[in-house]
Amino acid sequence: EPEVTQTPSHQVTQMGQEVILRCVPISNHLYFYWYRQILGQKVEFLVSFYNNEISEKSEIFDDQFSVERPDGSNFTLKIRSTKLEDSAMYFCASSRLAGLTDTQYFGPGTRLTVL
Amino acid sequence: AQKITQTQPGMFVQEKEAVTLDCTYDTSDQSYGLFWYKQPSSGEMIFLIYQGSYDEQNATEGRYSLNFQKARKSANLVISASQLGDSAMYFCAMRGGGTSYGKLTFGQGTILTVHP
Repeated sequence: EPEVTQTPSHQVTQMGQEVILRCVPISNHLYFYWYRQILGQKVEFLVSFYNNEISEKSEIFDDQFSVERPDGSNFTLKIRSTKLEDSAMYFCASSRLAGLTDTQYFGPGTRLTVL
Repeated sequence: AQKITQTQPGMFVQEKEAVTLDCTYDTSDQSYGLFWYKQPSSGEMIFLIYQGSYDEQNATEGRYSLNFQKARKSANLVISASQLGDSAMYFCAMRGGGTSYGKLTFGQGTILTVHP
């Protein structure tokens, strides 16, 4: 069964460093998402991406964040200058379409630790 | 704006018994979808069940069913015949039918512990 994959599973970085989190969505899916979950808290939407453009972003997704689909399979989230408060689990998700019935399938997550 | 509320931070259930996890929502959208996800201690998010706002029947998927009461804006998850492997965090989520491009809004989650 196809699944969303994410690498790395765990990333440790120093404050101020740039990180790139990688995701490979399910191959026939058209909509891609990033979510964040700070430890012990709820999952929060960051950004949605369709047709090589950001379709929607939350207030969390400020200028420090960017997303890219550099090739036909990968979908990346870049944090330019990490802060301590960026420490969280980051989930990539994808869905075939963005209709009400279209389920988003999540990857296993990347745990980002900023020191 | 959409809001999901899960009022039970933690629930306990005996193995083989049924348990209901509560979820209430608030939205001004006429059309919307409700989802439940399971997050085991390993951290991944596993899709369990979906209910559409216009679905007349309550959704069921194996041991999972959704008690959908539209007038009360609730979409409670019922797990029948609980198993030890059901111990996890459970999230209720909503997708609105407005201009959002499919983003999900999540509740705070409920930690379910199944006792042998």
